[in-house]
Amino acid sequence: GQQVMQIPQYQHVQEGEDFTTYCNSSTTLSNIQWYKQRPGGHPVFLIQLVKSGEVKKQKRLTFQFGEAKKNSSLHITATQTTDVGTYFCAGRNSGYSTLTFGKGTMLLVSP
Amino acid sequence: NAGVTQTPKFRILKIGQSMTLQCTQDMNHNYMYWYRQDPGMGLKLIYYSVGAGITDKGEVPNGYNVSRSTTEDFPLRLELAAPSQTSVYFCASSSRDRGLSGANVLTFGAGSRLTVL
Repeated sequence: GQQVMQIPQYQHVQEGEDFTTYCNSSTTLSNIQWYKQRPGGHPVFLIQLVKSGEVKKQKRLTFQFGEAKKNSSLHITATQTTDVGTYFCAGRNSGYSTLTFGKGTMLLVSP
Repeated sequence: NAGVTQTPKFRILKIGQSMTLQCTQDMNHNYMYWYRQDPGMGLKLIYYSVGAGITDKGEVPNGYNVSRSTTEDFPLRLELAAPSQTSVYFCASSSRDRGLSGANVLTFGAGSRLTVL
């Protein structure tokens, strides 16, 4: 079955440093979504990428979808303590298949 | 507009007991899902439903049952609780309309933390 791998599993940064998490799929994806889960909370949708090579920005967050639609990344510029949480990517094979989640990257930001 | 509501928030079960986790959504979403989350393991799909009267197995369905008699409700039943079912359970829903940019985006409930002793 489809596998979605995410690295790193955990990262601890100082406030102001940059952060990147990478997501790789064993199969070509129709789209990929990113979610954020705060400690003790539930996953919250951040963004969806659909097109090959797509790049989207949300303030300090930059999301990329690879040309082959098998990998994606989330980059946070100048992290803040409010960025703390676990970031999940989730890929979909086709328009109507279910999402497969990566194991997530836990981000800890020290002030 | 409450979104996705899950009850209970916390529950402790003894081995062999049964219980139902309740999930209801008020967004008129066709799709509903049950995930379990274990530490460091991401979200695993247990069951999902594409509409009332239709359910299908996900990645880890063993030990669970679901029903979808209405669009709003999607309860998850554990018949014989086992320690391996200790986890945090999330219910989620999504719309189906391909024309919307937000289609198939999951809205999650707050979660139900279950401990089986």
